[in-house]
Amino acid sequence: QVQLQESGPGLVKPSETLSLTCTVSGGSISPYYWGWMRQPPGKGLEFLGYVYYSGSTSYNPSLKSRVAVSLDTPKSQFSLKLTSLTAADTAVYYCARAVDSNPFDIWGQGTMVTVSS
Amino acid sequence: EIVLTQSPGTLSLSPGERATLSCRASQTVRRSYLAWYQQKPGQAPRLLMYDASSRATGIADRFSGSGSGTDFTLTISRLEPEDFAVYYCNQYGTPPVTFGQGTRLEIK
Repeated sequence: QVQLQESGPGLVKPSETLSLTCTVSGGSISPYYWGWMRQPPGKGLEFLGYVYYSGSTSYNPSLKSRVAVSLDTPKSQFSLKLTSLTAADTAVYYCARAVDSNPFDIWGQGTMVTVSS
Repeated sequence: EIVLTQSPGTLSLSPGERATLSCRASQTVRRSYLAWYQQKPGQAPRLLMYDASSRATGIADRFSGSGSGTDFTLTISRLEPEDFAVYYCNQYGTPPVTFGQGTRLEIK
């Protein structure tokens, strides 16, 4: 059974870069999409971006200049980088998996990231 | 991007009652690529429905989805205590993937 686990810092300073990693266990990287979503406290879900197992990527245009998602297939991991952080980036960050032409069906438990000095 | 608007914002019902949740898209959802998720406090979203009307693996048959084009509905035929949660619709047919703002289903 496939499981996803996010890891990374819980506290980041404004203007810095957030780096999160999602480790995939119990399954293969291919042929799936691997994505990142976030949820500010008390608010709804926002799609950030995804990487396909082939390496192609797609991002939310509202964040496109600040976000990057990459894949490390040998380690069964994929990562999120988000630059120029502000307090508005404080949220629970989720990683998730999708099959082609399907929604994200398997999600990690989420990791809380606070942006504060 | 496609904006999804969910209504009502909050729905207050009793166990055993029928719940009807709505999701309206700002433009046609390609191929009815519309999903519904359930989220409980402190938990990740759980996929309930995909392709507007297909139940995800392990989802009880009291959950059903319908709709096409720009109007979609999630129906819970007879509410169980564990169904009280927040529900989100999601379109994955046109990049970028977008989510509705959520409907909170609370116990009356």
